[in-house]
Amino acid sequence: ETGVTQSPTHLIKTRGQQVTLRCSSQSGHNTVSWYQQALGQGPQFIFQYYREEENGRGNFPPRFSGLQFPNYSSELNVNALELDDSALYLCASSLAWGGDEQFFGPGTRLTVL
Amino acid sequence: RKEVEQDPGPFNVPEGATVAFNCTYSNSASQSFFWYRQDCRKEPKLLMSVYSSGNEDGRFTAQLNRASQYISLLIRDSKLSDSATYLCVVDYDKIIFGKGTRLHILP
Repeated sequence: ETGVTQSPTHLIKTRGQQVTLRCSSQSGHNTVSWYQQALGQGPQFIFQYYREEENGRGNFPPRFSGLQFPNYSSELNVNALELDDSALYLCASSLAWGGDEQFFGPGTRLTVL
Repeated sequence: RKEVEQDPGPFNVPEGATVAFNCTYSNSASQSFFWYRQDCRKEPKLLMSVYSSGNEDGRFTAQLNRASQYISLLIRDSKLSDSATYLCVVDYDKIIFGKGTRLHILP
């Protein structure tokens, strides 16, 4: 069974640029959630995708957007990057939405200069 | 009031001691509750789900008090390997993590 993978591992961008982060969910999982984790903080929920549709969203502006593909892999896109977007971005997959254990990937460390 | 609040850390306790973490949540409609563990520079991993009847897994005991909107985690006979950040998680229509409480077990 393959676990959750994310790419890239690290990324450096400048203010105003756009970034795409990728996540492959664990085999058999149809739900993917994305989180932003700043240093010293808990993960902040960005949004969740269930069977290719957005299924819930946290308090993030519209410049944070996502996609889920038929194979349940997912992308997180961030437009017009700001310095405060520097964080660890975590993807988690689960068997279903609502109350299931989430399996996290190792994360992508994004630095915005 | 924050949606999920945890004890501020860090907790520094000697090996073998018992340590308790507390967590409160603001949304009474919350349905699912969890404790996750996060090691330094690693991703969070599920430690245990929290059920209304309380549940125990070896040295770990989790309790839920819906009336007080309160969750707890008790670790007995703490080991050096228990050193980590413990995250309280509440799930209603979105998934909310607490800030986490860092635990250091001292030899």
